[in-house]
Amino acid sequence: NAGVTQTPKFRVLKTGQSMTLLCAQDMNHEYMYWYRQDPGMGLRLIHYSVGEGTTAKGEVPDGYNVSRLKKQNFLLGLESAAPSQTSVYFCASGEVGTEAFFGQGTRLTVV
Amino acid sequence: GEDVEQSLFLSVREGDSSVINCTYTDSSSTYLYWYKQEPGAGLQLLTYIFSNMDMKQDQRLTVLLNKKDKHLSLRIADTQTGDSAIYFCAEKVSGTYKYIFGTGTRLKVLA
Repeated sequence: NAGVTQTPKFRVLKTGQSMTLLCAQDMNHEYMYWYRQDPGMGLRLIHYSVGEGTTAKGEVPDGYNVSRLKKQNFLLGLESAAPSQTSVYFCASGEVGTEAFFGQGTRLTVV
Repeated sequence: GEDVEQSLFLSVREGDSSVINCTYTDSSSTYLYWYKQEPGAGLQLLTYIFSNMDMKQDQRLTVLLNKKDKHLSLRIADTQTGDSAIYFCAEKVSGTYKYIFGTGTRLKVLA
């Protein structure tokens, strides 16, 4: 049982480049989330989804887009990367009455 | 507003007890969680408590909940070097699909 899988695990981008982070979960969870983790700031919610085909903005959505075309996948896109987006990104999934299950994280550096 | 606060650092000696504190703001939160994050890894659920409970004990872990003061604590008895990690408290916001995380407390256990 893989749980929540994120790809890639590491990435270095140049300013202005684009990329997509993939999150896949095999627990049939309705809810999926993208967070970023920065030193001293904990986890901040970027976007989330409450079901296939739905997305919603979180606390820090600017500069990011998401899609949930399939229930098991939640994609996070950066159209034009900026150094301020250097961070560790975590995907999570969950259900009503359960805790959030996390992936192992993607460490992104924008130079 | 939604805000979960924790102190950033805690240092204890091996064998001592550790107490990590958290304050939250949503008095209607149904679930409160403690997660552990080891270096380079994702967040793993450590324990949780329902809002109608005052205390929960699980082996070396004791969770105390003071709803009046919106205060949550995690006590780790006989702290070991393997307990060194970042500990996050989180609340499940009632009526939404969101989990709100604290800033995380970095626990350092000295041998």
